[in-house]
Amino acid sequence: NAGVTQTPKFRILKIGQSMTLQCTQDMNHNYMYWYRQDPGMGLKLIYYSVGAGITDKGEVPNGYNVSRSTTEDFPLRLELAAPSQTSVYFCASGRTGGNSPLHFGNGTRLTVT
Amino acid sequence: DQQVKQNSPSLSVQEGRISILNCDYTNSMFDYFLWYKKYPAEGPTFLISISSIKDKNEDGRFTVFLNKSAKHLSLHIVPSQPGDSAVYFCAANYHSGNTPLVFGKGTRLSVIA
Repeated sequence: NAGVTQTPKFRILKIGQSMTLQCTQDMNHNYMYWYRQDPGMGLKLIYYSVGAGITDKGEVPNGYNVSRSTTEDFPLRLELAAPSQTSVYFCASGRTGGNSPLHFGNGTRLTVT
Repeated sequence: DQQVKQNSPSLSVQEGRISILNCDYTNSMFDYFLWYKKYPAEGPTFLISISSIKDKNEDGRFTVFLNKSAKHLSLHIVPSQPGDSAVYFCAANYHSGNTPLVFGKGTRLSVIA
């Protein structure tokens, strides 16, 4: 069981570069989420999706974009990387909304210099 | 404005003793609560949950207590083991809603052998 798979594991970007963080799940979950974790700050929601073709902003969406063309995939796009986006990014999926446990990937550690 | 608060960033406990991790919430509409455990370089994993219709839920060494009037919940780990050393996140949501979970900032538990 692969669960939630995130790639890459690590990445270093220069300011102004762009990249896509990939996330795929094989559990046929409708709900998918992107969180970022800064040191001592817990998990902050960036974007989420309740199904293919539907996305919505979370608490900290600025500087990011998402798409959900299939149930399995939920990529996160950074268009113009900034040092403030240095963080660990976690993708998660769930069978239903907030009342079912989320399954998380192992994260992507991103450094913007 | 933090709706879910974990006021202790860290906690150290001797092996074999009880670990008590606390969580407070401000939104009285929350009626479903979860605890997640996170090891370094891994994503959070679901540990235990509780619905507001209960005041206690037990799973092996882990018990979650909910005090609705105080808007407080706690996770008890008995007996604590070195493998329990991790960051623990409290999360909350509306049981019937489709909105994302709201996470606390986490408490780092160290179990000393």
